[in-house]
Amino acid sequence: EIVMTQSPATLSVSPGERATLSCRASQSVSSNLAWYQQKPGQAPRLLIYGASTRATGIPGRFSGSGSGTEFTLTISSLQSEDFAVYYCQQYNNWPRTFGQGTKVEIK
Amino acid sequence: EVQLLESGGGLVQPGGSLRLSCAASGFTFSSYGMSWVRQAPGKGLEWVSRIDDSGGSTNYADSVKGRITISRDNSKNTLHLQMNSLRAEDTAVYYCVRGWGWVDSWGQGSLVTVSS
Repeated sequence: EIVMTQSPATLSVSPGERATLSCRASQSVSSNLAWYQQKPGQAPRLLIYGASTRATGIPGRFSGSGSGTEFTLTISSLQSEDFAVYYCQQYNNWPRTFGQGTKVEIK
Repeated sequence: EVQLLESGGGLVQPGGSLRLSCAASGFTFSSYGMSWVRQAPGKGLEWVSRIDDSGGSTNYADSVKGRITISRDNSKNTLHLQMNSLRAEDTAVYYCVRGWGWVDSWGQGSLVTVSS
């Protein structure tokens, strides 16, 4: 099983600032990496797939990069609605596996 | 608009069984692989099972293998998850999701609580 490790566990950011979230895979997943956002009481929402392709309707301030074992999700200028938990997920191998999440909170 | 509506969750005793269903609409159901993803209270996400578009290929997480069966009825646009020999650690919100690589659509979730 591929283990996905996200860092940091919690990121404190002020509105308007840039947030950088990391995700590391225990072995290469090529570019088969997705990012999701989850707000309290809601189902997750797809942000990025293919490591860098934004899903339909996702604002341009969200961007993904990386390949192999190291990935990054960047939120260029945090809006109030972006404070949430973010998960990465690999789909290169079965079982599909998620990271443990990064909580982005208001500083 | 894609809609996925789960039903069948609830409280069940350890060792008991439960069948979740997911009614899909707004897309051509028979053209998509589907999956179930769960989330224990206050915890992260776990991919439980997936099934291809025809129902001919399935996969299961090791944590549920032998106890859970995924199936689909393309004539009724419905996905199912039969859960047997339930354990306390199966307590979670179960999401019906579209996709078996990445997930582009999620249901609202169905809570399954395993407790005596």
